[in-house]
Amino acid sequence: AQKITQTQPGMFVQEKEAVTLDCTYDTSDPSYGLFWYKQPSSGEMIFLIYQGSYDQQNATEGRYSLNFQKARKSANLVISASQLGDSAMYFCAMREGLGTGGFKTIFGAGTRLFVKA
Amino acid sequence: EPEVTQTPSHQVTQMGQEVILRCVPISNHLYFYWYRQILGQKVEFLVSFYNNEISEKSEIFDDQFSVERPDGSNFTLKIRSTKLEDSAMYFCASSGIWNEQYFGPGTRLTVT
Repeated sequence: AQKITQTQPGMFVQEKEAVTLDCTYDTSDPSYGLFWYKQPSSGEMIFLIYQGSYDQQNATEGRYSLNFQKARKSANLVISASQLGDSAMYFCAMREGLGTGGFKTIFGAGTRLFVKA
Repeated sequence: EPEVTQTPSHQVTQMGQEVILRCVPISNHLYFYWYRQILGQKVEFLVSFYNNEISEKSEIFDDQFSVERPDGSNFTLKIRSTKLEDSAMYFCASSGIWNEQYFGPGTRLTVT
């Protein structure tokens, strides 16, 4: 069964510093995708970054990078140079069976990030 | 930039009533999804829809729920007889290929 674990319910980071949000997953499917979403207090879900299980390199999108360690089944999100606007809830998610009709995406419990000025 | 839209932003209904939540996915996307998020909890998958049929659904998506794509642009979620525990934020999402899902702003459903 699919499982996503985010062990940090809350994290604090100083503005302009980097922060790592942890995510581990469990799957027996060799084909899967990993996602990170940001949910500000306004409630919308903002797509940040995607990593496919067959991708050789770690995904990067601007200040976001995904530290993908396949053998450890971890997909940590790294935010560099934190900004006050990064304060939000962050969700890790996974979808199995990519390319073979897998559509169900499961989400972790989330990590609330607080950026301090 | 294209975006997923949802209406209404907030819906209040009485227990036992039917509600229809509406979504307009990104126009060239082929896969559509509904999720829900009970306040303070994680996002839960409800259903995915492709090629005019349900491709996958969760155990939450029971006979009280249905989805429809009545025309080329709208994608709806119907709850036939709402219960208090259906109160949640409902998100619609769409994707063109299987790596990026873009979410709408959500509809907050309150069942009284």
